[in-house]
Amino acid sequence: DAGITQSPRHKVTETGTPVTLRCHQTENHRYMYWYRQDPGHGLRLIHYSYGVKDTDKGEVSDGYSVSRSKTEDFLLTLESATSSQTSVYFCAISATVDQPQHFGDGTRLSIL
Amino acid sequence: GQQLNQSPQSMFIQEGEDVSMNCTSSSIFNTWLWYKQDPGEGPVLLIALYKAGELTSNGRLTAQFGITRKDSFLNISASIPSDVGIYFCAGALPTGANSKLTFGKGITLSVRP
Repeated sequence: DAGITQSPRHKVTETGTPVTLRCHQTENHRYMYWYRQDPGHGLRLIHYSYGVKDTDKGEVSDGYSVSRSKTEDFLLTLESATSSQTSVYFCAISATVDQPQHFGDGTRLSIL
Repeated sequence: GQQLNQSPQSMFIQEGEDVSMNCTSSSIFNTWLWYKQDPGEGPVLLIALYKAGELTSNGRLTAQFGITRKDSFLNISASIPSDVGIYFCAGALPTGANSKLTFGKGITLSVRP
């Protein structure tokens, strides 16, 4: 198994609160990604990182920000959570741009 | 944007049967990937394909990269109960931008004992 740990695994919070999800890898891979998975939509890319302090937007980036201060950690922040951000969030990593991505076990986030 | 089409959404088969699922697109992809997702877990890579026409096996699984580069199929032979799950295809664009994989919406496979 790829060494990817997502935390927390489950979270329930209220609309308007800030939320930070963490992805930690032990593989020293350069690329890290955040996806959300929703019924009927599959996996959609939120943001990704191609190195420390290097990040870019995915297709559903509105309402989300990310930070990568160390190779092993990639944080996803919802500054002011909304109910539409209730979802399962997956982190993925890849060694190079041409290598397949490997996924963590996800964080189930519910925003009431 | 690019879309990958997987249908039907759900498939039901009898244990021991073979099953084939395909993934199609109107765009050309440079890489095709097949993932399986079990409930409560993240997708796990099954097979990666890098060349048009390539046929690759992983145990009872066989996948092919279509020669038009717009499709791929996955075949599971002699299905067993643990094959149950969601099967996703994913494609990477010719620019080598694996950083922006496009995913299909997945096919949920059920296996009756």
